Amino acid sequence: EDQVTQSPEALRLQEGESSSLNCSYTVSGLRGLFWYRQDPGKGPEFLFTLYSAGEEKEKERLKATLTKKESFLHITAPKPEDSATYLCAVWSNAGNMLTFGGGTRLMVKP
Amino acid sequence: GAVVSQHPSRVICKSGTSVKIECRSLDFQATTMFWYRQFPKQSLMLMATSNEGSKATYEQGVEKDKFLINHASLTLSTLTVTSAHPEDSSFYICSALAYSYNEQFFGPGTRLTVL
Repeated sequence: EDQVTQSPEALRLQEGESSSLNCSYTVSGLRGLFWYRQDPGKGPEFLFTLYSAGEEKEKERLKATLTKKESFLHITAPKPEDSATYLCAVWSNAGNMLTFGGGTRLMVKP
Repeated sequence: GAVVSQHPSRVICKSGTSVKIECRSLDFQATTMFWYRQFPKQSLMLMATSNEGSKATYEQGVEKDKFLINHASLTLSTLTVTSAHPEDSSFYICSALAYSYNEQFFGPGTRLTVL
């Protein structure tokens, strides 16, 4: 059974204080690992897909990395508008469904 | 990226009524769509997988007679919450699988409140 664990559950940062969110996973054949951003009352917004260990992707202040056991979402010099819940999900070769982690609620204070 | 829409975005209904939620892929064909449920401050929980032209596959613990799913075309899946009760109040989100993009695209969600 695929499992995804995100940590921490909640993270408070000051504006400009860089940090990382963790996503640990076990999966029977990784087809892809996804990061999404979700604002309250809205559906998840796609950020990144990572397919193989060692892969990295960047978008503005965000950088996602992947190993065989975990993925990190690094946030550099965050701004208040980066406050949201960040969701990690794995897509295994066993099927078409995504398995989501519990999410990390990020709050960036000015 | 591809766009997925949901309708309605919000619905308030009385206990015992049925509510239909539509999920559409606007610019791509989706042979597979997914329905999720999300409670406040929790992550998405998969309810069912919907395949065009065939019966939906429900996750353990999800009542298929209560949550009716129909995937009649390659761009439309519907979720009907039958005889809704207050405990069915939640945020329902659909996603569509786009093989050409090798990813799932999510709709904006539907907030259901059952009084």
